[in-house]
Amino acid sequence: QVQLQESGPGLVKPSQTLSLTCTVSGGSISSGGYYWSWIRQHPGKGLEWIGYIYYSGSTYYNPSLKSRVTISVDTSKNQFSLKLSSVTAADTSVYYCARDGCCGMDVWGQGTTVTVSS
Amino acid sequence: DIQMTQSPSAMSASVGDRVTITCRASQAISNYLAWFQQKPGKVPQRLIYAASSLQSGVPSRFSGSGSGTEFTLTISSLQPEDFGTYYCLQHNSYPVLTFGGGTKVEIK
Repeated sequence: QVQLQESGPGLVKPSQTLSLTCTVSGGSISSGGYYWSWIRQHPGKGLEWIGYIYYSGSTYYNPSLKSRVTISVDTSKNQFSLKLSSVTAADTSVYYCARDGCCGMDVWGQGTTVTVSS
Repeated sequence: DIQMTQSPSAMSASVGDRVTITCRASQAISNYLAWFQQKPGKVPQRLIYAASSLQSGVPSRFSGSGSGTEFTLTISSLQPEDFGTYYCLQHNSYPVLTFGGGTKVEIK
């Protein structure tokens, strides 16, 4: 079955860019039919949808983060990535990647904790 | 933007109780709603999609209903393993998605 795994630095300095990658196994991003999402969860708080990308490269972002977010896809590596610029302590969160077929995310990665601190 | 309001924000119930969680949308979203369960330190799991369709492998004690602006997640007979936080997600306004604030369920 499809599995997702996040990777990237666990510590990012303020004002820098957070970069994470999600590797998909057991299925191909380029087969289409799914949106590939990023979601985050602040410590002790609820879930926040960041954005997603389609295999074609079409992207959609949460309006509240849109000015700082870039999501990209590398179908040759079966990966998609998140970049969040100008981070502050408020961006400290667990970041999840997930697959969305139509009706909410049905497959999630395990999540990766990113702390923003100098 | 569509806002999703869940109630209650927290609750405590006994094993065997019928539990109902409500999610209200700030505007009509047809049946474009999903429910997720998240246990502490774990990944969210989808329970319900399209408001009332049960995710494969999810126990039948979970059910969803509603359309338009008001939705409910019902656990017909609460089990000890059902503790955790439940979230709704609207996906009517694709491509922008919105989660509810969550409902924390504790077992008495």
